[in-house]
Amino acid sequence: GQSLEQPSEVTAVEGAIVQINCTYQTSGFYGLSWYQQHDGGAPTFLSYNALDGLEETGRFSSFLSRSDSYGYLLLQELQMKDSASYFCAVRELGNQGGKLIFGQGTELSVKP
Amino acid sequence: DAGVIQSPRHEVTEMGQEVTLRCKPISGHDYLFWYRQTMMRGLELLIYFNNNVPIDDSGMPEDRFSAKMPNASFSTLKIQPSEPRDSAVYFCASSIDIGRGWEQYFGPGTRLTVT
Repeated sequence: GQSLEQPSEVTAVEGAIVQINCTYQTSGFYGLSWYQQHDGGAPTFLSYNALDGLEETGRFSSFLSRSDSYGYLLLQELQMKDSASYFCAVRELGNQGGKLIFGQGTELSVKP
Repeated sequence: DAGVIQSPRHEVTEMGQEVTLRCKPISGHDYLFWYRQTMMRGLELLIYFNNNVPIDDSGMPEDRFSAKMPNASFSTLKIQPSEPRDSAVYFCASSIDIGRGWEQYFGPGTRLTVT
């Protein structure tokens, strides 16, 4: 079956660094994405990893290890506006593109 | 670009009534997705289309749910009859499969409450 595991909640202080882990188990794997969702809002795309290694986009970085079925999202220099839910999502292989399977989300609270 | 447009933004209806949710994807995107989000079940894919053709509807909970995409700029998700357990936020998303991991652009969602 398919499963994605990520912590349900994380708390950190402004200016700190936080890492949100995601482990996955799927029948076919294409890549790992991360989405951010503020309370009452829609998910928005943050990053994507298809190959092993680190991808950096400003204060956010995402890492993937295909052999370990593991990835993480790293948020640096945390700001209050980073308080949101973060979802990892696996793109599964399939007919005509496959589909995204989302984890349950990690609620990040950034404290002053 | 206006982004993905969904209507209505909020819908309150009584059990047994028909509900129709609407979506206009981003122009040029050839994939359209319908998701449902609840606290208990998280973000679930219901169905997705490629070039207006339904590709995977395995997430559609039961026969009460149906979705159509009559053209590249419009899709509907219909629930008939609606039940209280259908209460959720329904998102439409669109995508074009060029790089960036099939990045999906989500609409603002429709918050459905069935009483």
